[in-house]
Amino acid sequence: QAVVTQEPSFSVSPGGTVTLTCGLSSGTVSTRHYPSWYRQIPGQAPRTLIYSTNTRSSGVPDRFSGSILGNKAALTITGAQADDESDYYCMLYMGSGLWVFGGGTKLTVL
Amino acid sequence: QVQLQEAGPGLVKPSQTLSLTCTVSGGSISSGSFCWSWIRQPAGKGLEWIGRFYTSGNTTYNPSLKSRVTISVDTSKNQFSLKLSSVTAADTAVYYCARCMLYRPYYFDYWGQGTLVTVSS
Repeated sequence: QAVVTQEPSFSVSPGGTVTLTCGLSSGTVSTRHYPSWYRQIPGQAPRTLIYSTNTRSSGVPDRFSGSILGNKAALTITGAQADDESDYYCMLYMGSGLWVFGGGTKLTVL
Repeated sequence: QVQLQEAGPGLVKPSQTLSLTCTVSGGSISSGSFCWSWIRQPAGKGLEWIGRFYTSGNTTYNPSLKSRVTISVDTSKNQFSLKLSSVTAADTAVYYCARCMLYRPYYFDYWGQGTLVTVSS
């Protein structure tokens, strides 16, 4: 089974920009994996941020953007705010109705 | 606004079958555009997709859980269910239900709040 990789942790200064990545242990992430990103505050359910590589879910501020960078999917947060501190998960569609989540990135804003 | 709510026993004994239901409101579970998934999260760990159900009784399961998982639907109650057999302590997790896109762009748009299931004697 494919392994989706994410940085375990990342930190960013308030107002700064951070890019989280989502890779595949066995190859390249492309738009055909329809990368999606979810934000989860500990103790709460995940919320959809980005789908289909770069489409923001309803109500998500444009500080959040998605892209493909090299062989990985990427989530960029610009103008980081204290309440962006959260866990971020990417998910890839592997075809045939199968999805795989990455291990998640714990983002600290300090 | 679509809402999903998980329900089921919070404690299951080892080797028994875990059973959960997800009640959908604000939308029909029979819609042909969507699928209905279960995802779980052990404490302090990441999300794991378990499987999905979609129209006409079709299912797709995570290969690592396939031998133990059954997802079914009760359209009369607008509910879908998860059964996970032969559970062990490793199955202790928060279980989420979610609506997924049956066609591209293949993502989850609505999630339940989650329910904690502990496997212990």
